[in-house]
Amino acid sequence: SQTIHQWPATLVQPVGSPLSLECTVEGTSNPNLYWYRQAAGRGLQLLFYSVGIGQISSEVPQNLSASRPQDRQFILSSKKLLLSDSGFYLCAWSGTGFGGNTEAFFGQGTRLTVV
Amino acid sequence: GNSVTQMEGPVTLSEEAFLTINCTYTATGYPSLFWYVQYPGEGLQLLLKATKADDKGSNKGFEATYRKETTSFHLEKGSVQVSDSAVYFCALSPSWGSGGYQKVTFGTGTKLQVIP
Repeated sequence: SQTIHQWPATLVQPVGSPLSLECTVEGTSNPNLYWYRQAAGRGLQLLFYSVGIGQISSEVPQNLSASRPQDRQFILSSKKLLLSDSGFYLCAWSGTGFGGNTEAFFGQGTRLTVV
Repeated sequence: GNSVTQMEGPVTLSEEAFLTINCTYTATGYPSLFWYVQYPGEGLQLLLKATKADDKGSNKGFEATYRKETTSFHLEKGSVQVSDSAVYFCALSPSWGSGGYQKVTFGTGTKLQVIP
């Protein structure tokens, strides 16, 4: 069966420090991968999605970047964190290929607090 | 592009009340539709789904019917419990031949609070 791992679960970082959040998927190949952010009391904001190694699409301009060095690994990074980067970050994967019935599966999330 | 619109929250109900959370969508073709639930401090879990028009998804007493004519997928439950308190997200996945990637599009979420 497929599983998704996301870590760390919580993180407190000072302003201006770098960030690296990692997400890995097991039990499937060539998944679509996603990073979402959920600010306190707000909905999901899609940050990045990827359909393959090295293929990253950014939904909104921001202080963050994403990379996909391996098929089932997705990394969210920042060189210098801002206070506004605080939030709950969720990694997700879905199946690929055309056709419907493509649901997304989520990790448990990372609570990032920038101080 | 594709979009999902949900009713604004928060929604506060008494235990055993009837629940409706509205969701409408914009998409070409015949997308698949989903409801996800997020309990406090956790990731999202799939609650139910429907893959074609007039399908009814159901799980844990929740139901939603895929209405192509009104482009809607409203979530309902006949009698809510305190344990149903969570944030609910409506989502869609594009259909065959619609072009582009299989990117799942989410609504902004509706917070439900059930009081005893």
